[in-house]
Amino acid sequence: GQQVMQIPQYQHVQEGEDFTTYCNSSTTLSNIQWYKQRPGGHPVFLIQLVKSGEVKKQKRLTFQFGEAKKNSSLHITATQTTDVGTYFCAERGSGNTGKLIFGQGTTLQVKP
Amino acid sequence: EAQVTQNPRYLITVTGKKLTVTCSQNMNHEYMSWYRQDPGLGLRQIYYSMNVEVTDKGDVPEGYKVSRKEKRNFPLILESPSPNQTSLYFCASSLFLSSEAFFGQGTRLTVV
Repeated sequence: GQQVMQIPQYQHVQEGEDFTTYCNSSTTLSNIQWYKQRPGGHPVFLIQLVKSGEVKKQKRLTFQFGEAKKNSSLHITATQTTDVGTYFCAERGSGNTGKLIFGQGTTLQVKP
Repeated sequence: EAQVTQNPRYLITVTGKKLTVTCSQNMNHEYMSWYRQDPGLGLRQIYYSMNVEVTDKGDVPEGYKVSRKEKRNFPLILESPSPNQTSLYFCASSLFLSSEAFFGQGTRLTVV
C-alpha cells in the first residue's frame, strides 16, 4: 500500500540552528500536507503542496515539493523554542476515502 | 469558534467494558475520520465517513465501530476493549476530500 517515509525520527538542535525534515515516497504523490503537533497537543495543519516543484514559505518555514512529486521537505531557519514539536507530512490517499497517510513524524527538540 | 470536540480527553477502563468516545464538529464538514496514534507508528486511520450514514474501514478497523447518524457527530465505539487498544485517539474532519483536516484535542485511552 501507499507509504510515506519520513526522516529523521528525532532531531535536537541548538536554538538558532536550522532544521530540515524529509518525506519520501516510492510512488508519485498527488499532494502533500504538513502538520505540526506540539507536545501533548493535536496535529495542526500547516500547508498543502500540490504542484511539481512547488515552494511555499511561511515566515521561517520553507516547504518544498519535489519535481517528480515523490518527496517533500520542511526547512526551518533559525529555530526557536516555539518550534518544538513533531512535524508530520501526510498524503491524501488515492480513491474517495478522505484518508490521510501520515509519515512517522520528526520530533524536534530545541535547546535554548 | 470552528472546532472538533472529543470527549472524554482521558479514559482508563477495564478489558471488555464497552465504551464510546464522542466527536462533534461545528463546521458542517462532510468528511470525518478517526485515527489512533502510537509511538513510532504515526497516525493510522481507523474508520472514516464521507457523509451521513456512509462509513467505511480504514487501515486498522478491528475492534472498533462507528456511526454517522448526523453530520456533526461521529462517535467511536469499542464494544469489548482490549489492552492493545491503549492509544491516543484523534477525530478529524475536513470540508472536502482534499482539504486540510481539523483535529480534535485527542482522547488518551488506557485499557487495563
